[in-house]
Amino acid sequence: QVQLQESGPGLVKPSQTLSLTCTVSGGSISSSNYYWGWIRQHPGKGLEWIGYIYYTGGTTFYNPSLKSRVTISADTSKNQFSLKLRSVTVADTAVYYCATYGDRYFDYWGQGTLVTVSS
Amino acid sequence: DIQMTQSPSSLSASVGDRVTITCRASQSIITYLNWYQQKPGKAPKLLIYATSSLQNGVPSRFSGSGSGTDFSLTIGSLQPEDFATYLCQQSYTTPYTFGQGTKLEIK
Repeated sequence: QVQLQESGPGLVKPSQTLSLTCTVSGGSISSSNYYWGWIRQHPGKGLEWIGYIYYTGGTTFYNPSLKSRVTISADTSKNQFSLKLRSVTVADTAVYYCATYGDRYFDYWGQGTLVTVSS
Repeated sequence: DIQMTQSPSSLSASVGDRVTITCRASQSIITYLNWYQQKPGKAPKLLIYATSSLQNGVPSRFSGSGSGTDFSLTIGSLQPEDFATYLCQQSYTTPYTFGQGTKLEIK
């Protein structure tokens, strides 16, 4: 089965770029079965869908609330996909999850990684 | 964006109890409604998709129903491992949105 693992810095300074990578095992990001996405959870709060990429065609879809600052990309040679969130503020402090979006649901999730925005 | 509102926000119950959690969408989402279970420090786990379809490996004591704007998750007989936070999520349209969660605690 598909397994996902997030990696990246746990601390980012305000105004800088948050960069995270999700490494996929047990499946290929070239697969047409899934969209490969990012979701975040602010401390003690609900979940927010950030966006996802469909490798076939490299199509991306983003939450309009973050669209101006977000880029999701994929690297098939490493079987990874990545999140970049620019111009971060303390409001971007959250646990970031990567997840697969299959038949209209998020079925496989990474364990999550806490990113704190602080100077 | 479609707003998802869960009730109650928290619930105390005992092992063996039958509990129901509700989720209301701000507009019709037909049956594009999923339920997740989340335990502290862990990622959400898919329980039910498309309102009433049980994900592989999820015990049959979990069930879901509803359509349009009103949905519910029922746990038939609570087990100790069921005490967690439950979240609904609409997959009708982007941006996909989640409810704020219902925390199920042991009475």
